Amino acid sequence: DTGVSQDPRHKITKRGQNVTFRCDPISEHNRLYWYRQTLGQGPEFLTYFQNEAQLEKSRLLSDRFSAERPKGSFSTLEIQRTEQGDSAMYLCASSLEKGPNTEAFFGQGTRLTVV
Amino acid sequence: AQSVTQLDSQVPVFEEAPVELRCNYSSSVSVYLFWYVQYPNQGLQLLLKYLSGSTLVKGINGFEAEFNKSQTSFHLRKPSVHISDTAEYFCAVSDYNTDKLIFGTGTRLQVFP
Repeated sequence: DTGVSQDPRHKITKRGQNVTFRCDPISEHNRLYWYRQTLGQGPEFLTYFQNEAQLEKSRLLSDRFSAERPKGSFSTLEIQRTEQGDSAMYLCASSLEKGPNTEAFFGQGTRLTVV
Repeated sequence: AQSVTQLDSQVPVFEEAPVELRCNYSSSVSVYLFWYVQYPNQGLQLLLKYLSGSTLVKGINGFEAEFNKSQTSFHLRKPSVHISDTAEYFCAVSDYNTDKLIFGTGTRLQVFP
């Protein structure tokens, strides 16, 4: 297992276009998280799945954003009608629900630039 | 609600010198505490974590941190830094139930030869 994988690593899009990112978690991990990181800031929580159920969404996740994890494995994050303010690094993390020693492993992120 | 404050946005230091990166948190409930490191254009790597027990936690790459409940702090230390330690460091707290992380704004550690 090579860890959490995100695709693409970089995406440049024109304002108004839709984009979709993919995250493949560590295979046995049942929890999956999306974070957004803007320049000079720490990552901010967007949403979280346990298996295929989306259990929590941040208020940062406007109605232009949608995330899915249809079979409890990989996840997609779609942004519709992109805006320049959506430019950021989108990070995915996964963890195995097993009590207090659980650790989230992060992917390398997808850097989105909206022009 | 939980929050994390990293008091220093940048910390310049010479190689082989000691360093301390400061982190304070706010929470109405008990939390787990973490330090992550991020190298340019990379994801985050866990340095160390405090869950319970001994308040002095040792992590990878020679880093350690001390949990101080009365001061709600979790400062990161290394006795002798290397050029390769140059990176962004993030302190975070997590929710007991979901493992959702709340991050500070980060501290850029720059090590000079």
